[in-house]
Amino acid sequence: GQNIDQPTEMTATEGAIVQINCTYQTSGFNGLFWYQQHAGEAPTFLSYNVLDGLEEKGRFSSFLSRSKGYSYLLLKELQMKDSASYLCASMDSNYQLIWGAGTKLIIKP
Amino acid sequence: SAVISQKPSRDICQRGTSLTIQCQVDSQVTMMFWYRQQPGQSLTLIATANQGSEATYESGFVIDKFPISRPNLTFSTLTVSNMSPEDSSIYLCSVRTSGDTGELFFGEGSRLTVL
Repeated sequence: GQNIDQPTEMTATEGAIVQINCTYQTSGFNGLFWYQQHAGEAPTFLSYNVLDGLEEKGRFSSFLSRSKGYSYLLLKELQMKDSASYLCASMDSNYQLIWGAGTKLIIKP
Repeated sequence: SAVISQKPSRDICQRGTSLTIQCQVDSQVTMMFWYRQQPGQSLTLIATANQGSEATYESGFVIDKFPISRPNLTFSTLTVSNMSPEDSSIYLCSVRTSGDTGELFFGEGSRLTVL
């Protein structure tokens, strides 16, 4: 079956670095997406990885290892506004997105 | 990118009634989807809204319960029929503007509470 696993909740301190992990098992693979979702709002796109390696975009970076079925989202210099849920989604061979349940990130001062 | 307007943003409904959610996009898009997100849970795809033909429903979702219209490339509606408290959820319209692997853009969602 198809499955996405990510931690339910994480806590980090303002100014620190946090890594949110995601493992996936999908029928075929056409890329891995990360979305940010603030409470009561729609998800917004953060990153897309289809090749192995690290993609850096400002304070946020995303890593992919296709052989391990593994990705992580790295957030640096954490700010209070980064408190949100982070959704991992894998795209299968039919270009359908399989979504994880999301990781709720709590930032403390 | 795409700007997506969804309405209503929220509603409180009585059991047994039906509600139609509208989704308007500021540009023509090929791929338009309807998702449901129940509290604390993942996004679940309800169906792909196809322009000019019947929507493609995912396992567990049927047209009688969730009829969808897509009269053109910028507009779609989702109706939640004969609602029960289990239908209380956020319903999200989303679009993909480029290719099969392009990012998804989401509307702000419609939060339905069924009493």
